[in-house]
Amino acid sequence: DAGVTQSPTHLIKTRGQQVTLRCSPKSGHDTVSWYQQALGQGPQFIFQYYEEEERQRGNFPDRFSGHQFPNYSSELNVNALLLGDSALYLCASSLLVGIGRTSYNEQFFGPGTRLTVL
Amino acid sequence: AQSVTQPDIHITVSEGASLELRCNYSYGATPYLFWYVQSPGQGLQLLLKYFSGDTLVQGIKGFEAEFKRSQSSFNLRKPSVHWSDAAEYFCAVGARAGGTSYGKLTFGQGTILTVHP
Repeated sequence: DAGVTQSPTHLIKTRGQQVTLRCSPKSGHDTVSWYQQALGQGPQFIFQYYEEEERQRGNFPDRFSGHQFPNYSSELNVNALLLGDSALYLCASSLLVGIGRTSYNEQFFGPGTRLTVL
Repeated sequence: AQSVTQPDIHITVSEGASLELRCNYSYGATPYLFWYVQSPGQGLQLLLKYFSGDTLVQGIKGFEAEFKRSQSSFNLRKPSVHWSDAAEYFCAVGARAGGTSYGKLTFGQGTILTVHP
């Protein structure tokens, strides 16, 4: 069973360009979350997709957008790239476990896409 | 708002020595707590998690963590460190599903572990 996969592995862009990162969730998972991990920092939550809609969003500007497809795979798009967007972008897929108040989306992370903005 | 603090940016231990990595959290209710490990250039691997029940949880690779509600802490421990444990370790707090949370994870800044032979 393949885990979470992400493509590409590495990417180099220049300021002002646009980028699309891709994520395929673990088999059976229906929810995808994206995180940005700047150098020397912990991952920061960008947004989460479920049933092809953005369900929750972190403190990121509208330049960051996403999409989820019927097969649950997801894309992260970043427009008008800034130098500060250079980071490792992590995708996590999850499935709701538990019941009611004890339920939780247990998240499994992919290897990430390293984006460098010059 | 939920937050996580890992007070130690970098820890160095000798192989075979014991290890404790500190984590303090802020959350309005009983949290879900996690420890992840990240090797250079890699994604995050889950070491262990606490949802409820026994406050001492066992994880993979011989790690354990203890949830102390009174201290808002979830420290990670290992009795004898191996050279292969050298990596960066992240503590995270997760919101319960339901409401408007949907299990979003908030991470600490990480602790880099160096192991000397």
